[in-house]
Amino acid sequence: ELKVEQNPLFLSMQEGKNYTIYCNYSTTSDRLYWYRQDPGKSLESLFVLLSNGAVKQEGRLMASLDTKARLSTLHITAAVHDLSATYFCAVDINQGAQKLVFGQGTRLTINP
Amino acid sequence: DAGVTQSPTHLIKTRGQHVTLRCSPISGHKSVSWYQQVLGQGPQFIFQYYEKEERGRGNFPDRFSARQFPNYSSELNVNALLLGDSALYLCASNVTPLGNEQYFGPGTRLTVT
Repeated sequence: ELKVEQNPLFLSMQEGKNYTIYCNYSTTSDRLYWYRQDPGKSLESLFVLLSNGAVKQEGRLMASLDTKARLSTLHITAAVHDLSATYFCAVDINQGAQKLVFGQGTRLTINP
Repeated sequence: DAGVTQSPTHLIKTRGQHVTLRCSPISGHKSVSWYQQVLGQGPQFIFQYYEKEERGRGNFPDRFSARQFPNYSSELNVNALLLGDSALYLCASNVTPLGNEQYFGPGTRLTVT
């Protein structure tokens, strides 16, 4: 059974600092997704990573995928308060259906 | 273009009752997936439908069922509700079951008392 683990689960940081969220998964997959969720809201797609070595950047967020290590990272540069949210990674096991297995989420709080 | 829509937004039910949740995918999308998100956890896959056929099923009891209509909209039905069914139910649509990205709707918040 595929397991997806994120760490840390909770992260409190100050504006202007850099940090990285890690996502490890237990079985082979070459599709990994990052989502953002604000309290009481749905999931907002951030990145779709489809191959080993894929790197994508949007604003202060950058995501990468290492399929050999079964590891993805979400790096936050010079954090701002607006990035406070819960971040999920999800792995697609793609057994004829697009079944996403999500991590537990990382609750990120950015303090002024 | 309208995104994925779900109804109702919120719902309160009593244990033992039945509930039906509805989802309309993005225009042109033929695949619909359902996820359950319990408070404080990541979403869990329930079903995927494509062209009215079930393509995938998660580890949920038979009390959960779904169907997809010719216009690609979908219903999720839950019978004999339990307190543990309280969750945010998310619908996601995709062009095909193996498309690169799913687009999530706003969700239905179900509370079982």
